[in-house]
Amino acid sequence: DTAVSQTPKYLVTQMGNDKSIKCEQNLGHDTMYWYKQDSKKFLKIMFSYNNKELIINETVPNRFSPKSPDKAHLNLHINSLELGDSAVYFCASSQDGLSYEQYFGPGTRLTVT
Amino acid sequence: AQSVAQPEDQVNVAEGNPLTVKCTYSVSGNPYLFWYVQYPNRGLQFLLKYITGDNLVKGSYGFEAEFNKSQTSFHLKKPSALVSDSALYFCAVRDINTGGFKTIFGAGTRLFVKA
Repeated sequence: DTAVSQTPKYLVTQMGNDKSIKCEQNLGHDTMYWYKQDSKKFLKIMFSYNNKELIINETVPNRFSPKSPDKAHLNLHINSLELGDSAVYFCASSQDGLSYEQYFGPGTRLTVT
Repeated sequence: AQSVAQPEDQVNVAEGNPLTVKCTYSVSGNPYLFWYVQYPNRGLQFLLKYITGDNLVKGSYGFEAEFNKSQTSFHLKKPSALVSDSALYFCAVRDINTGGFKTIFGAGTRLFVKA
């Protein structure tokens, strides 16, 4: 009964490849997010979706394309992977509004060689 | 622009001693402040939040935080540290300019609790 799940947990791939990360939440939340955590552990928002609509796109290269097929799922597709894309990617969800905390998935460690 | 700052990269404390992890904020309007903890190879877990009301907020695992409007601070505290509290702690603020759909995280503070 994991609240926010991501697959895969680890992803090792070569430069130039295309890969996807999947995220699912069973909390009934309307808002989902993608975050990138770099090697120094800085955490930065990439995208926010509310009711399947893109709300925040935080100057992410258009090689990154999120897709929300329904409110419980938010997937991230990355084209033409670059070395700098190596990081841990976290999915999260929350109820709407300023006062609600976020629930994070376990993360996907992406390594681009 | 909304922001939070965690001035310490690392905090070291002996088990049984009180701990404080510092956070200051800069917001326009009312602050919506959060603390999260990250254990190795795990996602972030919510600890506590300040939205309105009492300045002393109690959260999970015996943690509490004190909201201080005049000093624009929201320090995380625990009266008696445990070795198992060793982790990475993030202060965060919801960006009201985006209706809360963007959260800004501090750089994180690594807490080491020595037995």
